[in-house]
Amino acid sequence: NAGVTQTPKFRILKIGQSMTLQCTQDMNHNYMYWYRQDPGMGLKLIYYSVGAGITDKGEVPNGYNVSRSTTEDFPLRLELAAPSQTSVYFCASSYLDRGLGYTFGSGTRLTVV
Amino acid sequence: TQLLEQSPQFLSIQEGENLTVYCNSSSVFSSLQWYRQEPGEGPVLLVTVVTGGEVKKLKRLTFQFGDARKDSSLHITAAQPGDTGLYLCAGLRAGNNRKLIWGLGTSLAVNP
Repeated sequence: NAGVTQTPKFRILKIGQSMTLQCTQDMNHNYMYWYRQDPGMGLKLIYYSVGAGITDKGEVPNGYNVSRSTTEDFPLRLELAAPSQTSVYFCASSYLDRGLGYTFGSGTRLTVV
Repeated sequence: TQLLEQSPQFLSIQEGENLTVYCNSSSVFSSLQWYRQEPGEGPVLLVTVVTGGEVKKLKRLTFQFGDARKDSSLHITAAQPGDTGLYLCAGLRAGNNRKLIWGLGTSLAVNP
């Protein structure tokens, strides 16, 4: 059982470049989330989705975009990378409601130089 | 303003010692989750508590949800090096604004 799979594990981007962080889950979870984690700042919600075709902004959505065309996949797009987007990104999913606990992926460490 | 305060921020102990970490808030939560995160990995859910006063045990880990559902504690008995990691709590706010609030974590190091 793979759970939540994120790719790539590491990436270095130059300022202004674009990239997509991939996230897929095989648990048939309705809810999916993207977080970033910075030292001393905790986990910040970027975007979330309650089902295929439905997405909504979290606390820190600026500079990011998402789509949810299938239940399984929830990619995160960075259009014009900035140094402030250097962070560790986590994708997570939950079955019905965010109060029951999340399954997280292993993260993508992104550095923008 | 951090709505969910975790303490202590850092803890370094010897193998075999007992410890308690805390997760406190002035807000009421519908449920509260505890996670452990190891370096280079995502958080892993340990437990979810939903009832005020609830106590859950997971081997040497004991989780308690406060009677007023504003706070929680995690007690580890006879800590082992494998318990090393960042312990995060997250609370689902009660009421219409069902937002999940994360604490900043307690970083635990258990030395052999």
